[in-house]
Amino acid sequence: AQTVTQSQPEMSVQEAETVTLSCTYDTSESDYYLFWYKQPPSRQMILVIRQEAYKQQNATENRFSVNFQKAAKSFSLKISDSQLGDAAMYFCAYRTYNNNDMRFGAGTRLTVKP
Amino acid sequence: KAGVTQTPRYLIKTRGQQVTLSCSPISGHRSVSWYQQTPGQGLQFLFEYFSETQRNKGNFPGRFSGRQFSNSRSEMNVSTLELGDSALYLCASSFEQPYNEQFFGPGTRLTVL
Repeated sequence: AQTVTQSQPEMSVQEAETVTLSCTYDTSESDYYLFWYKQPPSRQMILVIRQEAYKQQNATENRFSVNFQKAAKSFSLKISDSQLGDAAMYFCAYRTYNNNDMRFGAGTRLTVKP
Repeated sequence: KAGVTQTPRYLIKTRGQQVTLSCSPISGHRSVSWYQQTPGQGLQFLFEYFSETQRNKGNFPGRFSGRQFSNSRSEMNVSTLELGDSALYLCASSFEQPYNEQFFGPGTRLTVL
C-alpha cells in the first residue's frame, strides 16, 4: 500500500523568508503523481503544485517549488518570500496514474510570522 | 466557472440516524471523489464515481455508500451513524484522465451526537 509521511506537524517562518516542508512516500509503482495541497482555515483545499514522477525536472509555480527525489521517494515543498496568506495546513498527496484514490500525508501546519 | 459545491455545509445528527450529503462538481467534470477528514485519521479516501459508476473504493464499512447521477452530481449516504463518523466530508471533482487535478469543495461538517 502506498503511504505518505509528513514528519513535521508544525512549521513556522518569518514573513519574506523561505521555508521547506518535507514529505516522503512509499510505493512500488513507477508512474504516479505527487501533489501539495493547501488548506487555509476556511477549509477549501487548493492545489499548490504537482509533479509527474516521470519528469526529472522539479515543478515550480511562482514562489512554490519542489525538490523531487524519486530514488529517495522524497518530495519537499519550498515556499520562497513567505507571505501571511501562506499560513495554512499543507498536505502532501500521492496517486497513481490510473486511480483517483489520493493518499494524503497527515499535514504540516505552517505559521507565518509578521 | 463555478467551483465544486457541497450541501449542506453543516449538519448535526444523532447516533443511529442516516445522512445524505450532496456534491455538485465543476461543469464538465465527470469524476467525483469523496474524502473523510478527521483530526485523528487525517484525510481518507472514501470512493470515486465516474459516469454513474463507482470506480474506486476506500476501506470504509458498508454503511458508507454513494451514487452519481447523469449530470455528474454525486451523493454520499451514511447509515446508522456512529459518533466516530463526525468529520469534515470533502468532495473533489476532476476531468477524466489524463487531467489529474482534483478540485475540492468546501466540505460538509457532520457532527454526530
